Amino acid sequence: DAGVTQSPTHLIKTRGQQVTLRCSPKSGHDTVSWYQQALGQGPQFIFQYYEEEERQRGNFPDRFSGHQFPNYSSELNVNALLLGDSALYLCASSSSAGTGNNQPQHFGDGTRLSIL
Amino acid sequence: AQTVTQSQPEMSVQEAETVTLSCTYDTSESDYYLFWYKQPPSRQMILVIRQEAYKQQNATENRFSVNFQKAAKSFSLKISDSQLGDAAMYFCAYRSAGSIARQLTFGSGTQLTVLP
Repeated sequence: DAGVTQSPTHLIKTRGQQVTLRCSPKSGHDTVSWYQQALGQGPQFIFQYYEEEERQRGNFPDRFSGHQFPNYSSELNVNALLLGDSALYLCASSSSAGTGNNQPQHFGDGTRLSIL
Repeated sequence: AQTVTQSQPEMSVQEAETVTLSCTYDTSESDYYLFWYKQPPSRQMILVIRQEAYKQQNATENRFSVNFQKAAKSFSLKISDSQLGDAAMYFCAYRSAGSIARQLTFGSGTQLTVLP
């Protein structure tokens, strides 16, 4: 049973470029959340996708956008990259089934994004 | 908005000894969940233990236990019989029971070193 998988593992971009990160949720999960983890800090919630819609968003600018596909996989897009966007981007999946409020989020290994 | 504070950036413990990591949080809600996640150098965020706020009994998972003090808004993690594999960054996290997205709010983390 595959867990949450993210690609690529590591990415180097320059300022002003655009990037797309990908996430496949754990089997049986239908909800995907994205977090940004700057070096030495805890992860911060970017947004969550459920039923191919953005369900909730954290305090991030519109440069950060996403998408969820019918197979529940998700993409995170960041436009006009800034140096401050350098971080580990974590994807987490969960299930809305049953007592969904009690379902833990399962995390992937993350994508390390470096902006030069 | 909820906040989570981990006041110990670094902690160390001798192998086989016991260590306690501290966490405090601020919320006006009465129903919520608290979590401890472990993040080793492999970067994956691994759930260690969770506590439902409506339960008075402290959660335990093998060598890991929590001391949940709801009135004091304190949620510490105790690791007994510490092992070398316990070395990692530990994050305390809060999740509202009322939020539709159930996103996690993380503290800044405590780096735990286990000394042989």
